[in-house]
Amino acid sequence: QQQVKQSPQSLIVQKGGISIINCAYENTAFDYFPWYQQFPGKGPALLIAIRPDVSEKKEGRFTISFNKSAKQFSLHIMDSQPGDSATYFCAASIIGNTPLVFGKGTRLSVIA
Amino acid sequence: DSGVTQTPKHLITATGQRVTLRCSPRSGDLSVYWYQQSLDQGLQFLIQYYNGEERAKGNILERFSAQQFPDLHSELNLSSLELGDSALYFCASSVEQIPYEQYFGPGTRLTVT
Repeated sequence: QQQVKQSPQSLIVQKGGISIINCAYENTAFDYFPWYQQFPGKGPALLIAIRPDVSEKKEGRFTISFNKSAKQFSLHIMDSQPGDSATYFCAASIIGNTPLVFGKGTRLSVIA
Repeated sequence: DSGVTQTPKHLITATGQRVTLRCSPRSGDLSVYWYQQSLDQGLQFLIQYYNGEERAKGNILERFSAQQFPDLHSELNLSSLELGDSALYFCASSVEQIPYEQYFGPGTRLTVT
């Protein structure tokens, strides 16, 4: 049973455009939702995270939108750059019960 | 650089063999997590140790075991290796105060031939 479903599997965006990656979760007890960025040959790096008490969190060009009633959250990358080309993973966990449950990942390609 | 180190970077071995992967967490981090990343299964949590004690267990096979030593480094032991064990193995660590923020190492790529 996949607890976190991520879409799309791959995404091609023009430079300067907005990249949007979506995740849906099933377990309403989840209370921590991070996004990780992974470049080829590297480990996942924590990008941005949100708790369910807010509907949006912005850090630079990266924004998480969170919809508790729909059990969905998404990552928006504004003004996408070729350097943003990577695989992005959403995840969820219950704080105090620490294992992260990951989505399957989205391979983003930003083309000039 | 996350501050988490893993050795070796690459490992090639034959079916039936046993290997040991090593992880050193970030300075001050007491928790260590092991994950397996494969193309079809994505990132799967294997096991967590906190200050030397097993804290949580995920989809870890009985052929696999781990431990965390007094200096907080951790080792993941994989035995009776099968072709399907070929994957990237990541270690992550977190600080006690914010246990949900996990920082990943660069991984060990295991190839079983």
